[in-house]
Parts: sequence; C-alpha cells; structure tokens
Amino acid sequence: SQTIHQWPATLVQPVGSPLSLECTVEGTSNPNLYWYRQAAGRGLQLLFYSVGIGQISSEVPQNLSASRPQDRQFILSSKKLLLSDSGFYLCAWSYGGSQPQHFGDGTRLSIL
Amino acid sequence: TQLLEQSPQFLSIQEGENLTVYCNSSSVFSSLQWYRQEPGEGPVLLVTVVTGGEVKKLKRLTFQFGDARKDSSLHITAAQPGDTGLYLCAGAFGSARQLTFGSGTQLTVLP
Repeated sequence: SQTIHQWPATLVQPVGSPLSLECTVEGTSNPNLYWYRQAAGRGLQLLFYSVGIGQISSEVPQNLSASRPQDRQFILSSKKLLLSDSGFYLCAWSYGGSQPQHFGDGTRLSIL
Repeated sequence: TQLLEQSPQFLSIQEGENLTVYCNSSSVFSSLQWYRQEPGEGPVLLVTVVTGGEVKKLKRLTFQFGDARKDSSLHITAAQPGDTGLYLCAGAFGSARQLTFGSGTQLTVLP
C-alpha cells in the first residue's frame, strides 16, 4: 500500500532563517506531488506541484521554492523566512491531476 | 481561475440532528471529491463523484452530484460528535493538472 511521510510535525523558526520541509511517498512510482498551505480552519492554497523529477510548477509567487530531486521526494524550502510564512503545510500525492489526493499529516510552522 | 464556494462556512449542531453542506461552482466539474480533515491532520478522502446526478452513500453520509455537474452536496443523518471536522470539496476542471479546493465547512457536533 502507498504511504506518505512528512516531517517535521512542528517547527518553530526565527524570521530570516532558512527552511527545509521534506515529504516522501512509498509504494508507488511517478506520482504527482503537491505542497499546500492552509490557514486555520480554512481551505488549501496550492503552492507547488510536480508531475516528475525536476519538474516544478509554482502557483503563487512567494518566498518559497520547491524541488523534486528523486521520484518520490518533494522538498519545500526558503532561504529567509518571513512572519507571513507561518501556517500549516501539507504535502500530497496523486496518480494524476484530477485524481484523489492523499495527504501527509502536515507541518505546523511558526515564525517568531 | 475556477472557484469553489462552500456553505455554510461554520455549522454547529446537536448530536442526532441532520445537516447538509454545499459546494458550488460556475464551471462544470469533470469530477468532484469530498474530504474530511481533523485538527492537526491532513484531509482524508471520503468520496469521488463523476457522473451528473450521481448519489453515493457512506454509512450516514450521502453525497450528491448535481445534474449539470456544477454543484454537490453532503448530507449527514443523525450526526455524531465523531463527525466533527472540516469538510472540503475539491473539483477537477477539464484537463487541469491539479484540483481546486473549496474553503471548507467547519462542522461541530455537540454531545
């Protein structure tokens, strides 16, 4: 069966520090991968998606970047965090663009 | 950009009551999904609907897809505290490479 792992679960970082969140998928190959940000109790804002290794599409201009160095690894990064980067970050995978998505447990990021 | 509107935004009811939440768009969905999310966790898929007029049941949950495939509803019968959570709809439009998520309905079922 397929599983998705996302870490860390919580992270507290100072303004201006770098960021690296990692997501890995097991049990499938060549999945679509997604990074979302979610405000408390609200919907999901798509940040990046990837349909293959090295292929990244950005949906929202921002302070963040994403990379897919391996087929089942998706990384969300920032060189200098802003206060506005605080939020709940979710990674997800699917078999295709219109297919159901399967989510990790998220990372709660707090910027001080 | 396609938009999904969910209503109501918040809903608080007593255990045993029935409720319906809605998901609407001005565009036609090629498919639509419903998810439930609990605090501190990722959303979990409940159902996918594809055909206009389709009705699917999952225990006490009934999902309906509009005939024109522009809207959907989720009806919960005899709600229980365990139904508490954020309910999200997500639509696929045409050949889009990603889903569009609604802003969610936060449901609280009081014991």
